[in-house]
Amino acid sequence: KAGVTQTPRYLIKTRGQQVTLSCSPISGHRSVSWYQQTPGQGLQFLFEYFSETQRNKGNFPGRFSGRQFSNSRSEMNVSTLELGDSALYLCASSFGGTGLRTDTQYFGPGTRLTVL
Amino acid sequence: EDKVVQSPLSLVVHEGDTVTLNCSYEVTNFRSLLWYKQEKKAPTFLFMLTSSGIEKKSGRLSSILDKKELFSILNITATQTGDSAVYLCAVGGGATNKLIFGTGTLLAVQP
Repeated sequence: KAGVTQTPRYLIKTRGQQVTLSCSPISGHRSVSWYQQTPGQGLQFLFEYFSETQRNKGNFPGRFSGRQFSNSRSEMNVSTLELGDSALYLCASSFGGTGLRTDTQYFGPGTRLTVL
Repeated sequence: EDKVVQSPLSLVVHEGDTVTLNCSYEVTNFRSLLWYKQEKKAPTFLFMLTSSGIEKKSGRLSSILDKKELFSILNITATQTGDSAVYLCAVGGGATNKLIFGTGTLLAVQP
């Protein structure tokens, strides 16, 4: 069974630009969560999508947005990039639904975003 | 505010040593506690614990949860250099029904 895939793996952008990251979950998984990981802050939850609807949202500004398609693939967009957005962006998939079926999350390899 | 705290932040051991990593939590509506291992990129799933006192084991790794005292430990026996990684603890539940991660423990195993 294929794991979670993320594209691109590496990205270099300049301040003010926008970026779109993509995540394909494990087949059969309907929930996709996005996290930002930085050395100082650890893993910070961005948002979770289930059945094309944003179900949970973390404490990030509106510049961070996402969506999910009918095939459960998800995209995350960051507009007006800032230097502080440089991070590893991880997506994780789970079966979804509620409770424990959402908790067991499997991570993709991440996208390393560098903002210059 | 929901929080997960891991200790120690980092440690260095020699091959063959046994290590214990700690994770304490204060999370409303606790549902589960998960351990992940992160080497270079993606965290890989190790265990999910939901009931107190039941040990989960996988090879040299084992973990147990204490729901009364709100903590979990991850034990690694006979450590190997391949165990070097960041070990992440996450708790499912909370006010927004999401996983809340600790900042991790960096384990370095020297030959």
